[in-house]
Amino acid sequence: DAKTTQPPSMDCAEGRAANLPCNHSTISGNEYVYWYRQIHSQGPQYIIHGLKNNETNEMASLIITEDRKSSTLILPHATLRDTAVYYCIVRVSDDYKLSFGAGTTVTVRA
Amino acid sequence: GAGVSQTPSNKVTEKGKYVELRCDPISGHTALYWYRQSLGQGPEFLIYFQGTGAADDSGLPNDRFFAVRPEGSVSTLKIQRTERGDSAVYLCASSLNSGRAYEQYFGPGTRLTVT
Repeated sequence: DAKTTQPPSMDCAEGRAANLPCNHSTISGNEYVYWYRQIHSQGPQYIIHGLKNNETNEMASLIITEDRKSSTLILPHATLRDTAVYYCIVRVSDDYKLSFGAGTTVTVRA
Repeated sequence: GAGVSQTPSNKVTEKGKYVELRCDPISGHTALYWYRQSLGQGPEFLIYFQGTGAADDSGLPNDRFFAVRPEGSVSTLKIQRTERGDSAVYLCASSLNSGRAYEQYFGPGTRLTVT
């Protein structure tokens, strides 16, 4: 059973913010939301994670709704190098496995 | 510093042959993971090592697949009697320790093609 739902694809204009949605309506209280991305021919790369508060780092911001049933990953100024498959993953705090779905293929266009 | 490396980057083998895929984790990382990624899908967990021991091998599809990590560093994924359905990208990841606080760093993968 998939724990997250993401749109299969989306386009974004270079220099604009990219907002990637993820639904996780069955998330439990001890489960974190993780985002990874995979650029073509590379392994997945960690972006950010959060529990219930919004988080920001040098790569992106993560906005989690108050009921925690959905979240949005924001790439503030998308570049061509941000073209990748983005995976939203729900993970229990002590779980070592990453359970990837199909992700969202994001294409940044000049 | 050096990231996770995997060799070979590509491997083509004939059905029925034996293959070994190697993973060199980041130095000092005690946890090591193998995933498999089929075309158009996300990676799927295969096996997890904590140190030298396989703490969870529940993702290995059948007994043709086996992995070792004898000295707690380099790991080898071994596939016997390969089948065309084994064709995929095999990804290795390592982390300082297990659990959410420790990020998994992935290698570039080995693309296995069974003809």
